[in-house]
Amino acid sequence: AQSVTQLGSHVSVSEGALVLLRCNYSSSVPPYLFWYVQYPNQGLQLLLKYTTGATLVKGINGFEAEFKKSETSFHLTKPSAHMSDAAEYFCAVSDTGRRALTFGSGTRLQVQP
Amino acid sequence: DADVTQTPRNRITKTGKRIMLECSQTKGHDRMYWYRQDPGLGLRLIYYSFDVKDINKGEISDGYSVSRQAQAKFSLSLESAIPNQTALYFCATSDRTSRETQYFGPGTRLLVL
Repeated sequence: AQSVTQLGSHVSVSEGALVLLRCNYSSSVPPYLFWYVQYPNQGLQLLLKYTTGATLVKGINGFEAEFKKSETSFHLTKPSAHMSDAAEYFCAVSDTGRRALTFGSGTRLQVQP
Repeated sequence: DADVTQTPRNRITKTGKRIMLECSQTKGHDRMYWYRQDPGLGLRLIYYSFDVKDINKGEISDGYSVSRQAQAKFSLSLESAIPNQTALYFCATSDRTSRETQYFGPGTRLLVL
């Protein structure tokens, strides 16, 4: 079975600082990997995804993530945090049969002025 | 107009009552999903459907049932609600061309007293 581990349920950064949200996965086949963002009282919105090809993936709002097979990681980064980035972020992996997603437990990002 | 809609957005019910949450989509996708979100647990898959005649249990289907009335409609029922079904429920859609990307509705917040 697939699984996703997000280290740190809460991350706090200062405005303008680097954002690093960690995600490790387990998968018996080449995975499809996703990062979603959830703003307060809203549904989930796709930030970026990795399927095949280039391992550095760029998403919306200046976020990017790098697929590292040897480390089974897919960490999310943004060079400079903005107040509007405060939200909950979820990493997800597609299952073996490409039929459904398995989500991590989420990381709540707080941005301090 | 939103592509994925959920009704109701908020619901309070009592233990033992039967309730139905509804999801409709205008994206033309063939795949639909129901998840529940609990703090610290991320999103967990309840049921998913790849077409009207293909319905599958997710990891936490006990106590729930679903109906795929049409390609665009997927309903989730709680046959006899219990307090630990208090959660935020999300519907999502995808299709085979979207490389497993799922598009989420705004959620239904359910409180079982």
